[in-house]
Amino acid sequence: EVQLVESGGGLVQPGGSLRLSCAASGFTVSSNYMSWVRQAPGKGLEWVSVIYSGGSTYYADSVKGRFTISRDNSKNTLYLQMNSLRAEDTAVYYCARDNEAAAGIGPWFDPWGQGTLVTVSS
Amino acid sequence: QSVLTQPPSASGTPGQRVTISCSGSSSNIGSNYVYWYQQLPGTAPKLLIYRNNQRPSGVPDRFSGSKSGTSASLAISGLRSEDEADYYCAAWDDSLDWVFGGGTKLTVL
Repeated sequence: EVQLVESGGGLVQPGGSLRLSCAASGFTVSSNYMSWVRQAPGKGLEWVSVIYSGGSTYYADSVKGRFTISRDNSKNTLYLQMNSLRAEDTAVYYCARDNEAAAGIGPWFDPWGQGTLVTVSS
Repeated sequence: QSVLTQPPSASGTPGQRVTISCSGSSSNIGSNYVYWYQQLPGTAPKLLIYRNNQRPSGVPDRFSGSKSGTSASLAISGLRSEDEADYYCAAWDDSLDWVFGGGTKLTVL
């Protein structure tokens, strides 16, 4: 079964750091385009970052320079390192596979993980 | 404020046909495919429509998508109570981002 399971969310103070993990099963993370998408409480969806199968990475302007997407091929796991966290980063973070797997098209996000909540507050 | 504009709410009665609009610009909807997602309460989004009007396997043919110029629409026919959810449109924007609409909350009366 194709599945994504996120972990690593929690409460962190402004300016702090957190690393999210997304464990995949049923497919190979490194052979796919993988994204992080977030949803602030009661708000809509916002694309955060993508890592292409070739290793290129891209970020939304709102997180550029603060967040880093990466993967561990041996663990078939996607990561999101979040530094210098702000209150406005508070959201449920989802990982998702992009089935279009090509730049300039999509997002055909499927599957999605169940999400992990990140709360930035003092 | 979202790049793609959707009405915040929509409603219909069981059996009715409802449409949800999504307005963008030449840099996103006007030149790229549109995708639609359904998010049931407390769950992750689920893909409903890809490449403007294609349905993934398992999505009922009650759901259909269309695009014209810089706008797109999602139509749901034969409305059911289980269709009550939030619906999001999405597209690639030529500024090198994927963008979403703000979401439309569909209520089945």
